[in-house]
Amino acid sequence: EAGVTQSPTHLIKTRGQQATLRCSPISGHTSVYWYQQALGLGLQFLLWYDEGEERNRGNFPPRFSGRQFPNYSSELNVNALELEDSALYLCASSLRNEQFFGPGTRLTVL
Amino acid sequence: KNEVEQSPQNLTAQEGEFITINCSYSVGISALHWLQQHPGGGIVSLFMLSSGKKKHGRLIATINIQEKHSSLHITASHPRDSAVYICAVSDNYGQNFVFGPGTRLSVLP
Repeated sequence: EAGVTQSPTHLIKTRGQQATLRCSPISGHTSVYWYQQALGLGLQFLLWYDEGEERNRGNFPPRFSGRQFPNYSSELNVNALELEDSALYLCASSLRNEQFFGPGTRLTVL
Repeated sequence: KNEVEQSPQNLTAQEGEFITINCSYSVGISALHWLQQHPGGGIVSLFMLSSGKKKHGRLIATINIQEKHSSLHITASHPRDSAVYICAVSDNYGQNFVFGPGTRLSVLP
């Protein structure tokens, strides 16, 4: 069974640009979570989608947004990129409270 | 809001040693998770538990709900166990995750 996949693996942007990160959950999982892990810091919860709806968001500004598609895949969009947005962005899918993580997208903002 | 603490922050052990990593949290939870993050960044879920004890190979996780405390034990440690171990708790709705800062483990041959 395929695990959670994320694309791209690496993404380099400059300040002010927009970044789009993608996540495909494990087949049958309806919940997708996004996390940010900045260098040297712990995991921070960003967004939770379930059945196409945003269910909860962490303490991040509105320029962090996303959506979940009918096939349960998800996009994370970060607008007006700032240097401190450089981080590893992890997606996880969930079934019955257990989360399975993707390999992450490393975003670098120059 | 739940606060999750881990100890120690860093741990160096010799191959074969028994290792314990501790996690404490401040508010009642529905489940506690132990995650392993390797240097490349990938995260693997090791355990999810809400009571008692679970064992998988050389790994054992315990939780004491009354004391709001969990431990992760590694028996007969091996260099391939070197990673960051993260404790996370999910709330009564099972969906809001709060992560501990992680424990960086290095097992030397």
